[in-house]
Amino acid sequence: EVQLVESGGGLVQPGGSLRLSCAASGFTFSSYEMNWVRQAPGKGLEWVSYISSSGSTIYYADSVKGRFTISRDNAKNSLYLQMNSLRAEDTAVYYCARDVVVAIDYWGQGTLVTVSS
Amino acid sequence: SSELTQDPAVSVALGQTVRITCQGDSLRSYYASWYQQKPGQAPVLVIYGKNNRPSGIPDRFSGSSSGNTASLTITGAQAEDEADYYCNSRDSSGNHRRVFGGGTKLTVL
Repeated sequence: EVQLVESGGGLVQPGGSLRLSCAASGFTFSSYEMNWVRQAPGKGLEWVSYISSSGSTIYYADSVKGRFTISRDNAKNSLYLQMNSLRAEDTAVYYCARDVVVAIDYWGQGTLVTVSS
Repeated sequence: SSELTQDPAVSVALGQTVRITCQGDSLRSYYASWYQQKPGQAPVLVIYGKNNRPSGIPDRFSGSSSGNTASLTITGAQAEDEADYYCNSRDSSGNHRRVFGGGTKLTVL
């Protein structure tokens, strides 16, 4: 069974940093591209970042470029999102999501990040 | 960057058919995928590719596409289909960026 379990969310002050983790199991993690997708309270889904299976290709949404860094450790079956210079508008549930080119086929349960003073 | 446009809300009578649409330039190059999200839950993939359903998704869900418009059709809507529905595709720039529609709130009357 495919499982994606996010952790690392919490309350952080504006300008602060947070590192999200996603533990993957039930599939060969190193063979799959991955994404982070977020959802602000009461709002729609917003794609945040993509990383290829090897980690060699990375993309970011314009809203987070230069502040967020996606990475992965295939030996640990883990995906990460380092978030710096956080703003109030970054407040959202962050989902780890598996990419199969034609779709995102599995999502984690999400972890809530709240940016507030 | 690309945008995908969805109607904010749609309603359907129980047992009737409803179509939810998604428009955007990227859909001329890429198929849309569709996600169902119920309150407090993660999204669930319901349609991908030309018209494919993941295992466990009822066959009342179907997808189609024409030009810059993709559609999700629910034939014989059930009460449990009441949810938010989001379309998604690759960005029209041809890389691995993705774009989501704003979502459609489906109410089953």
